[in-house]
Amino acid sequence: GDSVTQMEGPVTLSEEAFLTINCTYTATGYPSLFWYVQYPGEGLQLLLKATKADDKGSNKGFEATYRKETTSFHLEKGSVQVSDSAVYFCALENTGFQKLVFGTGTRLLVSP
Amino acid sequence: GAVVSQHPSRVICKSGTSVKIECRSLDFQATTMFWYRQFPKQSLMLMATSNEGSKATYEQGVEKDKFLINHASLTLSTLTVTSAHPEDSSFYICSASGGAGETNTEAFFGQGTRLTVV
Repeated sequence: GDSVTQMEGPVTLSEEAFLTINCTYTATGYPSLFWYVQYPGEGLQLLLKATKADDKGSNKGFEATYRKETTSFHLEKGSVQVSDSAVYFCALENTGFQKLVFGTGTRLLVSP
Repeated sequence: GAVVSQHPSRVICKSGTSVKIECRSLDFQATTMFWYRQFPKQSLMLMATSNEGSKATYEQGVEKDKFLINHASLTLSTLTVTSAHPEDSSFYICSASGGAGETNTEAFFGQGTRLTVV
């Protein structure tokens, strides 16, 4: 079945450092890909998404490009802030009914 | 984006009792709601999909008699963990989608419920 693999955390960075969180997927067909963020004590929020190959999703300085040839959707940000500290989930959707398959989540800790 | 409210955020119950978790879409009509469970250091696993007015569809391995799901209105779905045991302790989270516009193409999540069975 469909699955998502993302790097284990925690990822610990200093403020203004470059961030990459790796995500790869296994799926039949052409899934949509998502990054969700969960801040402490809150629910998951959609950070960005891409619905077809070579699409780039972006939001709040974060970017991810749908790479079908490498089945990847790595999350990047050029300069992280303390307020970016959260858990980031990579996910795919392959049914058209918002039924999501999640990775394990990666905790990001940014220190001043 | 649309708002989904999940209640309670934390609950502790005694083994053998039942616990109800509510998931409400506050500003849109959710034709479909999903219930997920998250084990420590693992991904969110889909438990079931519920459509308003019909029986929930459970994922393989999920006991439907233990995890009762009701989606009686377009704004409310409930998950009842019956005869809870310590192994049911987990983080449960709902999501909702439906209606028109962005609510039809995106799933919106509640803040989750931490269940501890003692």
